[in-house]
Amino acid sequence: DSGVTQTPKHLITATGQRVTLRCSPRSGDLSVYWYQQSLDQGLQFLIQYYNGEERAKGNILERFSAQQFPDLHSELNLSSLELGDSALYFCASSATVGWQPSGANVLTFGAGSRLTVL
Amino acid sequence: GNSVTQMEGPVTLSEEAFLTINCTYTATGYPSLFWYVQYPGEGLQLLLKATKADDKGSNKGFEATYRKETTSFHLEKGSVQVSDSAVYFCALKGSGAGSYQLTFGKGTKLSVIP
Repeated sequence: DSGVTQTPKHLITATGQRVTLRCSPRSGDLSVYWYQQSLDQGLQFLIQYYNGEERAKGNILERFSAQQFPDLHSELNLSSLELGDSALYFCASSATVGWQPSGANVLTFGAGSRLTVL
Repeated sequence: GNSVTQMEGPVTLSEEAFLTINCTYTATGYPSLFWYVQYPGEGLQLLLKATKADDKGSNKGFEATYRKETTSFHLEKGSVQVSDSAVYFCALKGSGAGSYQLTFGKGTKLSVIP
């Protein structure tokens, strides 16, 4: 158990629908990252939050949004779902943010949420 | 921008064979380099890391050396086991402002047969 908890583990829904994926970071970690893993695109960084504030944005679609709450858990909202959104969505957490000369800012990943859009 | 290129899989080896998975990177400054492993049905786990040139990361018999002159971080293991079957990801974390996230390679699937 990595300490990063993601729910649900599996989700099947239809095109056009909206879903919410939840992530609880490892105890003490302030930073949360969301990644999408698909067969054709590999692991793509979506977005990062640190202590409730957005810190970096990657290849996140406008139909997707995220937030981090005061208790540090994060939610990724996916709307107007398309078939191509089917993927594994990973959450990762780390203690700090930004550049660490020691490279100590290691990301710890959750087990992922598998989304299937039919 | 930063990028990571690793050898395409899948790689199939017999137990006790020698493993090399190549990884090269493009980045400015002094990135930190990582290997993550994903076992079937699980999330990514950090396998090893190196934070500066000539550093060698090692864990569970796996090793990788940060070679700045060749911009490489190849993963090696002298004798693989069936339990090493997994997908291996090379990743880098850039230095300086904005280097918040990891950039991953596409992954290399390793299958070890008895």
